[in-house]
Amino acid sequence: ETGVTQTPRHLVMGMTNKKSLKCEQHLGHNAMYWYKQSAKKPLELMFVYNFKEQTENNSVPSRFSPECPNSSHLFLHLHTLQPEDSALYLCASSQGQQLYEQYFGPGTRLTVT
Amino acid sequence: QKEVEQNSGPLSVPEGAIASLNCTYSDRGSQSFFWYRQYSGKSPELIMFIYSNGDKEDGRFTAQLNKASQYVSLLIRDSQPSDSATYLCAVNNGGLTGGGNKLTFGTGTQLKVEL
Repeated sequence: ETGVTQTPRHLVMGMTNKKSLKCEQHLGHNAMYWYKQSAKKPLELMFVYNFKEQTENNSVPSRFSPECPNSSHLFLHLHTLQPEDSALYLCASSQGQQLYEQYFGPGTRLTVT
Repeated sequence: QKEVEQNSGPLSVPEGAIASLNCTYSDRGSQSFFWYRQYSGKSPELIMFIYSNGDKEDGRFTAQLNKASQYVSLLIRDSQPSDSATYLCAVNNGGLTGGGNKLTFGTGTQLKVEL
C-alpha cells in the first residue's frame, strides 16, 4: 500500500447506526486530518492530530468522534448521524511542521438515510 | 473569517490553449499556497505549492504568487482534455499549537478543456 488509504469507500447508514471510518498513511508523516466535503461547499477541516495528539477540533458535533492510536492510523467513529451529514469524508496527512503540503486519501462517500 | 475566493466557473478553453486559474485570499499572514486538482467523484490531488513571490514552474504548470495583492494563480499550458477537473486553491493559515497545519480551501474552479 502506498500513500493514504481509506476504508470503506462507500457507506450507507441509518440515523441510529454506529459505524467507523478508517484511514492509514504510509508516508511517514506526523500529522493526520479529517475533512468533510459537501456539494458546492469548500472542504471543511474537522480534526487534526499530530503524533496522535489532537491539535484541532473545528467545532464538530459530538456525533463525530475521532481516534488516533498512532501516527499512521486515524479513525472517525459515527453515531446517530443526520441526513445533512451525508458527504465525502476525506483523510489527509502531512509532515507536522507549518508549511508542508497535505496529501489526501480517496475518501469515504457517506450516505445517511 | 479567513477566506479563499475562487471563480466557480466553468472556465472553458480549447485544447492546446493556456488556462489561467485565479485565487485571492484574505489572511495577509498566509505563508504557503497550494493547488489541488479534483476529478469528479475523486479526492483532491496536489499539483503544486508555492511559498515565495514570483513564479514556480513544473512541467505544463506554473504557479504565480503575489503576496502584496494577495492572489495566487495557476497557469496550465497546452491544455489537454484530461486537465478537465475542478482546481482547488488552498492557503496555509499557520501552524497549530502542538503540530499540524491549517489549510483553508476555496470552493474550486471547474475547468473544461474542449476538443
